[in-house]
Amino acid sequence: NAGVTQTPKFQVLKTGQSMTLQCAQDMNHNSMYWYRQDPGMGLRLIYYSASEGTTDKGEVPNGYNVSRLNKREFSLRLESAAPSQTSVYFCASSARRAGTEAFFGQGTRLTVV
Amino acid sequence: GDSVTQMEGPVTLSEEAFLTINCTYTATGYPSLFWYVQYPGEGLQLLLKATKADDKGSNKGFEATYRKETTSFHLEKGSVQVSDSAVYFCALSPPGAGGTSYGKLTFGQGTILTVHP
Repeated sequence: NAGVTQTPKFQVLKTGQSMTLQCAQDMNHNSMYWYRQDPGMGLRLIYYSASEGTTDKGEVPNGYNVSRLNKREFSLRLESAAPSQTSVYFCASSARRAGTEAFFGQGTRLTVV
Repeated sequence: GDSVTQMEGPVTLSEEAFLTINCTYTATGYPSLFWYVQYPGEGLQLLLKATKADDKGSNKGFEATYRKETTSFHLEKGSVQVSDSAVYFCALSPPGAGGTSYGKLTFGQGTILTVHP
């Protein structure tokens, strides 16, 4: 039972480079999320997709784009990476009902130099 | 907007000590409340949750009670083990606004717990 799978696990980028973080879930969840984790700040929501075909900005969307490719997959793109985007990125998914918990991937540690 | 505040950390305890990690929240209505745990190098795992006032969530010896009157959801464990060393996050999700907010979490800053033998 894979749950939420993220790739890659580690990445180093140079300033200005672009990359896409991939996420897939096999729990038939409608909703998917991208968070970033920074020391002392908890996790902050970048973008989310309440259902296939929809995406919305979260708390810190600047510098990112997302694509909900289908019900299983939700990718996060950095068009021009900046050192401020050095962080650990987590993808999560959940059912669309009150009180439900989110399930998280293992994370991608991204360093922008 | 919604917010979650956790006690300042890190917390260092000896094995078998009593643990409390404080968590308070600000939100409209009746959010659902969660504690997640992150072990080194891993993603977040749900530890416990409560979805309405006075509910108690419990798992692996950890407990937390949803207190609406004090807007709190403090995490407790009577006797910690070295294996409990991890980062603990308190989080909330809103009651729901047309179904688009379910599962959308607001996190506290996290509390690092280290337990020594």
